[in-house]
Amino acid sequence: DAGVTQSPTHLIKTRGQQVTLRCSPKSGHDTVSWYQQALGQGPQFIFQYYEEEERQRGNFPDRFSGHQFPNYSSELNVNALLLGDSALYLCASSLRGPGNTIYFGEGSWLTVV
Amino acid sequence: AQSVTQLDSQVPVFEEAPVELRCNYSSSVSVYLFWYVQYPNQGLQLLLKYLSGSTLVKGINGFEAEFNKSQTSFHLRKPSVHISDTAEYFCAVRQTRDNNNDMRFGAGTRLTVKP
Repeated sequence: DAGVTQSPTHLIKTRGQQVTLRCSPKSGHDTVSWYQQALGQGPQFIFQYYEEEERQRGNFPDRFSGHQFPNYSSELNVNALLLGDSALYLCASSLRGPGNTIYFGEGSWLTVV
Repeated sequence: AQSVTQLDSQVPVFEEAPVELRCNYSSSVSVYLFWYVQYPNQGLQLLLKYLSGSTLVKGINGFEAEFNKSQTSFHLRKPSVHISDTAEYFCAVRQTRDNNNDMRFGAGTRLTVKP
């Protein structure tokens, strides 16, 4: 049973560029969330997708957007990259419902130069 | 809004010694509580969670945590650590409100187990 898988694992972008990160949830999971983890900090919630719609959003600007596909996989898009966007981006999946365990992928390391 | 404070950024300990990683939280609503572990260059793995019931929660790898509502704490303990426990540990809270996936994490505690 594959867990949460993310791609790419590492990438380098230039300021002002756009990036797309991809995530496949754990088998059977219908809810996908994205987190940003800056170096030396805990993860911060970006947003959650369920039934192909954004359901919750953390304190991130509109440059951060996402999408969920009918097969529950998801993408995170970041436009107009800033140096401060350099971080580990974690995808997490779960079954919808209170208290359900959230499973994390190994993340995509984004470096903005 | 909720917030989590992990009281120690780094905890060095010798192998086979006991360890406690401290976590305090603040929330105006009821929350679920979690501890996750992150090994180098890996994602987060759930160690244990408190949803309701017994305040002493047992997790994987011999870890346990105790929920103390009056002190708003959820400290993680292990009676005897191994070298392989060296990792970053994160305490997190999440509202019990339905379908809420906004998990708030602490800044992490780096546990270093020395031989």
